[in-house]
Amino acid sequence: SQQGEEDPQALSIQEGENATMNCSYKTSINNLQWYRQNSGRGLVHLILIRSNEREKHSGRLRVTLDTSKKSSSLLITASRAADTASYFCATDRRGSYIPTFGRGTSLIVHP
Amino acid sequence: DVKVTQSSRYLVKRTGEKVFLECVQDMDHENMFWYRQDPGLGLRLIYFSYDVKMKEKGDIPEGYSVSREKKERFSLILESASTNQTSMYLCASPPRGSGRPDTQYFGPGTRLTVL
Repeated sequence: SQQGEEDPQALSIQEGENATMNCSYKTSINNLQWYRQNSGRGLVHLILIRSNEREKHSGRLRVTLDTSKKSSSLLITASRAADTASYFCATDRRGSYIPTFGRGTSLIVHP
Repeated sequence: DVKVTQSSRYLVKRTGEKVFLECVQDMDHENMFWYRQDPGLGLRLIYFSYDVKMKEKGDIPEGYSVSREKKERFSLILESASTNQTSMYLCASPPRGSGRPDTQYFGPGTRLTVL
């Protein structure tokens, strides 16, 4: 089944710095989503970007989508210690509404 | 606010036991999903249901079954628990007709340990 792959697997930065995570996928999609998971908890939806969109913003989050390269990036600006979490991209399966999740990027923001 | 709840946060069972994991959503959603999450493997879909008494296999259904007798409740059943089913289990439910048909709302997860 199709799966997004996040890169890097782990990221460690200082508070105030920007954090960038990437997601690559294999086949055409209708939309791509980003989720956050705090340690030992369920996932929380952050943002959805459709295949006809190139960029989307939500607060300190900026998501880009390049369908020609089959990739997306999530940028968190002015990071905070509370942003420490795992971040997952999810792509819909062709012909289906069911999202498929990648393995995630573990972000640590040091105060 | 959508609420997806799971019956237990932590569960310890013995090999061979029958295990029930319960998930309840309070927003009249038609679709419900069960995932398991393991380090380095991400989330993998076990089963999903798009209506009462309807179910579909996901990517890794072996060793599991499900039950959806009421719209708000989706149960994951381990008929005979094995140690390789030790994992974090996540229930999710997307709304329909909200303009965001693919967004998943997740429960807090159940961390199951099989000894």
